[in-house]
Amino acid sequence: NAGVTQTPKFRVLKTGQSMTLLCAQDMNHEYMYWYRQDPGMGLRLIHYSVGEGTTAKGEVPDGYNVSRLKKQNFLLGLESAAPSQTSVYFCASSYPGGSGHSLLNYGYTFGSGTRLTVV
Amino acid sequence: AQSVTQLDSHVSVSEGTPVLLRCNYSSSYSPSLFWYVQHPNKGLQLLLKYTSAATLVKGINGFEAEFKKSETSFHLTKPSAHMSDAAEYFCVVRSMDSSYKLIFGSGTRLLVRP
Repeated sequence: NAGVTQTPKFRVLKTGQSMTLLCAQDMNHEYMYWYRQDPGMGLRLIHYSVGEGTTAKGEVPDGYNVSRLKKQNFLLGLESAAPSQTSVYFCASSYPGGSGHSLLNYGYTFGSGTRLTVV
Repeated sequence: AQSVTQLDSHVSVSEGTPVLLRCNYSSSYSPSLFWYVQHPNKGLQLLLKYTSAATLVKGINGFEAEFKKSETSFHLTKPSAHMSDAAEYFCVVRSMDSSYKLIFGSGTRLLVRP
């Protein structure tokens, strides 16, 4: 089924370890986003990408890096995990671009999330 | 800058009674607004979206929301709550800068009492 796939779904890290979260979409979307969800704070944007080879910082980028080497994949890296990065991470994508699509009317597809615990 | 404020962090209703979840927005432009629902330990599901067409937007599972420009509000309602409606609800506005990112409210947790 078409959609956004996040791997892994669960992970426990020790403080200082590194890891990469993968977001893959098969809808040819241009825009991709990484959010984190913490209780009482909604979802906050970490980084985003408006196309292959581009990335930009969101609201809470510190401690994270991203890459978008292929259009369908958006990777989120934690170089040295900290307990404050314990969270649920969601990836989203939107907008296939090209003629015939209005970005303002286009929706967003979310992945099912990655629950990360840093101990 | 755009933002949304969800006025209640928790709402408790009895099954069969109306639901009202309140959201105010701030935007310099005509906004695109969304309501998402998240059931416990699940992902996000789109309930409905407003993109400057009809001001009364109907969504899934009997939910609807009314865009009121004069009040800068986009409240979510349902005539009769079901136990299955217990979840967290997010009011969301789309950013109009080049990112077109979604900006989330802090969420309202809906509790439905039997």
